[in-house]
Amino acid sequence: DQQVKQNSPSLSVQEGRISILNCDYTNSMFDYFLWYKKYPAEGPTFLISISSIKDKNEDGRFTVFLNKSAKHLSLHIVPSQPGDSAVYFCAASSSGNTGKLIFGQGTTLQVKP
Amino acid sequence: DGGITQSPKYLFRKEGQNVTLSCEQNLNHDAMYWYRQDPGQGLRLIYYSQIVNDFQKGDIAEGYSVSREKKESFPLTVTSAQKNPTAFYLCASSTHLGKETQYFGPGTRLLVL
Repeated sequence: DQQVKQNSPSLSVQEGRISILNCDYTNSMFDYFLWYKKYPAEGPTFLISISSIKDKNEDGRFTVFLNKSAKHLSLHIVPSQPGDSAVYFCAASSSGNTGKLIFGQGTTLQVKP
Repeated sequence: DGGITQSPKYLFRKEGQNVTLSCEQNLNHDAMYWYRQDPGQGLRLIYYSQIVNDFQKGDIAEGYSVSREKKESFPLTVTSAQKNPTAFYLCASSTHLGKETQYFGPGTRLLVL
């Protein structure tokens, strides 16, 4: 039972344009969401998070949007840079789940110069 | 320079052999975690620890064991009972258990000879 899904395995965008990565979840108890970036053979790096009391959180070029009614979140990267090319994982947790993070399968982003 | 270190970067296991993966953090975090990543999949939780001398099974604990004798250290042993150990293993830590951002180490690639 995949509680967190990233339905697009890959995404390719041109440098300078917007990258939009999507994530869907099924568990309505999730109340904290995170995005991680991962390069091959390295550990994931934390990018940005959002609590369920908000619908948007912004940090520089990265913005996360949360639509609780649709159980959907997205990560916007504007403008995209070649160094953003990596695998992006969304993750979710709930207060009643002892902090366990549930990860999506990941989306590979390629930003072309 | 605070962070999480994992060693070795690559580890080879023979049939019937137990191997131990090291994870150390100097972030003064109470909670630590072990995840496994397989190709094309998200991270799955093996074990987690809220505090010294306490640890709990995650979603895929069979064939693994851990200890938490010191706050800074959370070693993972892959036992011979783990029939499919080839994977990328990631250690993480957070300030406390709960709705907290987890920070990851660089990972250990385990291969079976």
